[in-house]
Amino acid sequence: DTAVSQTPKYLVTQMGNDKSIKCEQNLGHDTMYWYKQDSKKFLKIMFSYNNKELIINETVPNRFSPKSPDKAHLNLHINSLELGDSAVYFCASSQALGTQRPGGTQYFGPGTRLLVL
Amino acid sequence: SQQGEEDPQALSIQEGENATMNCSYKTSINNLQWYRQNSGRGLVHLILIRSNEREKHSGRLRVTLDTSKKSSSLLITASRAADTASYFCATRGYSTLTFGKGTMLLVSP
Repeated sequence: DTAVSQTPKYLVTQMGNDKSIKCEQNLGHDTMYWYKQDSKKFLKIMFSYNNKELIINETVPNRFSPKSPDKAHLNLHINSLELGDSAVYFCASSQALGTQRPGGTQYFGPGTRLLVL
Repeated sequence: SQQGEEDPQALSIQEGENATMNCSYKTSINNLQWYRQNSGRGLVHLILIRSNEREKHSGRLRVTLDTSKKSSSLLITASRAADTASYFCATRGYSTLTFGKGTMLLVSP
């Protein structure tokens, strides 16, 4: 059973297009994240939602807009795609922030490989 | 700014040997976690060590944490070809996990 799933797995698109990536988790977690992994494997947090509420918004262009319809889903919409947006985007989930339990562990989806031409 | 820095960037060993990877960080942490990423896959959590712990074991994995030196090490004993992957340390402050750039481990049969 997939714990954190993302669609699509691959996304090839032209510059200037708008695209969305979807993420769903069935772990009952309260917190979900979007990360971007560049070609050098550096993994950088973009957004975090806790119970559908945005709590972390790193320095990300406002062409990127996350949306959380419920706490099991966190989608990422990207407007006016640029070449530099090419990367692997990972969704993750964890138990609520600030918990002292080992639930600080994050569970990652398989990633969406975005290539902007 | 980036928190964790793994060392070495790449490590190549033979099956059966031990692999040691190090991680240094800059600010106070709540806990430190190690993750593995196989090529083309998402990250998988390996082990978490709290800031008040010094050593932790899980199967063939041994993690140490020295908060005075702001460093951690991950030891994989008796490595296998299946251990070939990138290994990331991630430090947890109050609200986020911050990942390093990873160590790429290649275990040759």
